[in-house]
Amino acid sequence: GAGVSQSPSNKVTEKGKDVELRCDPISGHTALYWYRQSLGQGLEFLIYFQGNSAPDKSGLPSDRFSAERTGGSVSTLTIQRTQQEDSAVYLCASSSSYRVVTEAFFGQGTRLTVV
Amino acid sequence: GQQVMQIPQYQHVQEGEDFTTYCNSSTTLSNIQWYKQRPGGHPVFLIQLVKSGEVKKQKRLTFQFGEAKKNSSLHITATQTTDVGTYFCAANFNKFYFGSGTKLNVKP
Repeated sequence: GAGVSQSPSNKVTEKGKDVELRCDPISGHTALYWYRQSLGQGLEFLIYFQGNSAPDKSGLPSDRFSAERTGGSVSTLTIQRTQQEDSAVYLCASSSSYRVVTEAFFGQGTRLTVV
Repeated sequence: GQQVMQIPQYQHVQEGEDFTTYCNSSTTLSNIQWYKQRPGGHPVFLIQLVKSGEVKKQKRLTFQFGEAKKNSSLHITATQTTDVGTYFCAANFNKFYFGSGTKLNVKP
């Protein structure tokens, strides 16, 4: 695609429900990253993928968070039993390679509100 | 782990004034990137520096990479209201380590 696509753009969910956030990276990009940004704050690293594998999951806040990537393309970030502190904008980014330093292209993000 | 510190956290300037944000690391960086995030938007890549002492310019923006490759700066000359946003530096060690960002507000 032309850019990184994330869906949904907005999600309001009740506390305790599960949510799935989707990221469709730029075609051919092997590296994919998930970040979380609370209002007015910086970018909190969650997880990154090299192809379908995730070498670094250190940023996932708890075991309620998981992510997968299939076919070296689309990635899904799942949050189980959502809590109010999970409310934030979840940003996905992709880059053409994890071996060579390249820029990260960000999607528009998914704004998650847990009520 | 890798950390990239960025200061200041906020900067309010009058239109026409200059602005500088600084990025520091305790370890030598192979590269530094700069991103801009407009209010309500997503981070957008501005530039990448890889060489010791490198200086790059984009119109009113000047980017520098320190000689020791442990620090970097972004300087905006004669700010305009279109410069409003948050500026992030980022170092790439397989994943991107982002600084905390400097939020720039420009008063017309």
